[in-house]
Amino acid sequence: SQQGEEDPQALSIQEGENATMNCSYKTSINNLQWYRQNSGRGLVHLILIRSNEREKHSGRLRVTLDTSKKSSSLLITASRAADTASYFCATDENSGYSTLTFGKGTMLLVSP
Amino acid sequence: KAGVTQTPRYLIKTRGQQVTLSCSPISGHRSVSWYQQTPGQGLQFLFEYFSETQRNKGNFPGRFSGRQFSNSRSEMNVSTLELGDSALYLCASSQEGGGYTDTQYFGPGTRLTVL
Repeated sequence: SQQGEEDPQALSIQEGENATMNCSYKTSINNLQWYRQNSGRGLVHLILIRSNEREKHSGRLRVTLDTSKKSSSLLITASRAADTASYFCATDENSGYSTLTFGKGTMLLVSP
Repeated sequence: KAGVTQTPRYLIKTRGQQVTLSCSPISGHRSVSWYQQTPGQGLQFLFEYFSETQRNKGNFPGRFSGRQFSNSRSEMNVSTLELGDSALYLCASSQEGGGYTDTQYFGPGTRLTVL
């Protein structure tokens, strides 16, 4: 079953602009992770934010988590063409196991 | 450290056949999870293994099975293949997976096409 719902489904921007993607989930979680996938290839881990954290940064990435609203956002600043990919949020549904439930993803297109 | 490796990368089978996919986790990682990705259903959890034991299983028919060896390498098997089994199969490893979910590192996937 799908836990997260990303919004928007697709996003098209110019290089240098910022890209914001949102994710909503349904159940309580221990943590939320964001992944990137380039055209049908493996998933690349971007960032993990725990349920007791509100914001986390990694390079040009900024992730926020609002557990009261069961939502998260991923901000990519100063986007580059190489950021073109699909972005997924994944939650652990508080299962205690290494089981991730993924949203359907946001397809980001960054044009030069 | 070397990343998660999956073999083979591409596979073409016909309906009714069976297939075995292999995954080697990052050295030191004991938890291995498998996911199926299709355009229609997205990424769906298949099963997770830790120390050779299946700890969790997704909502897939019994035709999908797996195992983990003492060196943490894992295999998954799909018997009596159906057209709908065509998908990208992803393996992920993490260090412990207990208590709460660690960061999972994914392999490049095996693209299975069933004709």
